[in-house]
Amino acid sequence: EVQLVESGGGLVQPGGSLRLSCAASGFSFSTYSMNWVRQAPGKGLDWVSYMTSSSSTIYYTDSVKGRFTISRDNAKNSLYLQMSSLRDEDTAVYYCASSPSGVATLVFDYWGQGTLVTVSS
Amino acid sequence: SYELTQPPSVSVSPGQTASITCSGDKLGNKYASWYQQKPGLSPVLVIYQHNWRPSGIPERFSGSNSGNTATLTISGTQAMDEADYYCQAWDSSTARVIFGGGTKLTVL
Repeated sequence: EVQLVESGGGLVQPGGSLRLSCAASGFSFSTYSMNWVRQAPGKGLDWVSYMTSSSSTIYYTDSVKGRFTISRDNAKNSLYLQMSSLRDEDTAVYYCASSPSGVATLVFDYWGQGTLVTVSS
Repeated sequence: SYELTQPPSVSVSPGQTASITCSGDKLGNKYASWYQQKPGLSPVLVIYQHNWRPSGIPERFSGSNSGNTATLTISGTQAMDEADYYCQAWDSSTARVIFGGGTKLTVL
């Protein structure tokens, strides 16, 4: 069974930092591209970042570029998101989501349960 | 920047066909995917590459994409299909993932 389990969320003050983790199991993590997608309370889905299986290609949405860093450790089947200079508008549930190879476009086939990040003073 | 537009809400009677649209400039030239999200749960992929269904997704879910509009169609809609639905595309020109704003499907 595929499992993606996020952790590391919590309450942080504006300007602060937080590191999210996503532990993967039940599939060949090292062959999948991975993503972070967030959802502000009561709002829609908002893609944050993408990383290929080998870490060779990374993309970010404009609003987090220079503040967030995606990384992965294939030996530990884990994905990370280092968030710094956090703003109120970064408050959201953060999901990690996998993107399969062999598909013509970027889709998210498995999602974790999400971890809530609250940025507030 | 590229945008995808969905109607905020769609209503359908049980057993009828629900159609949820997603509009974007030349969207038919991109691959559209659809996600279902029920309250308090994570999104679930229901359609990708226009009309492919992942394993476990009922046949009543189908998709199409032409011109500027992608459509998710649910035939014989059931009460369990009541959820928020999001369309998604990959904009290769900017290397960005785009989500539509979401459509709340009500089955009544």
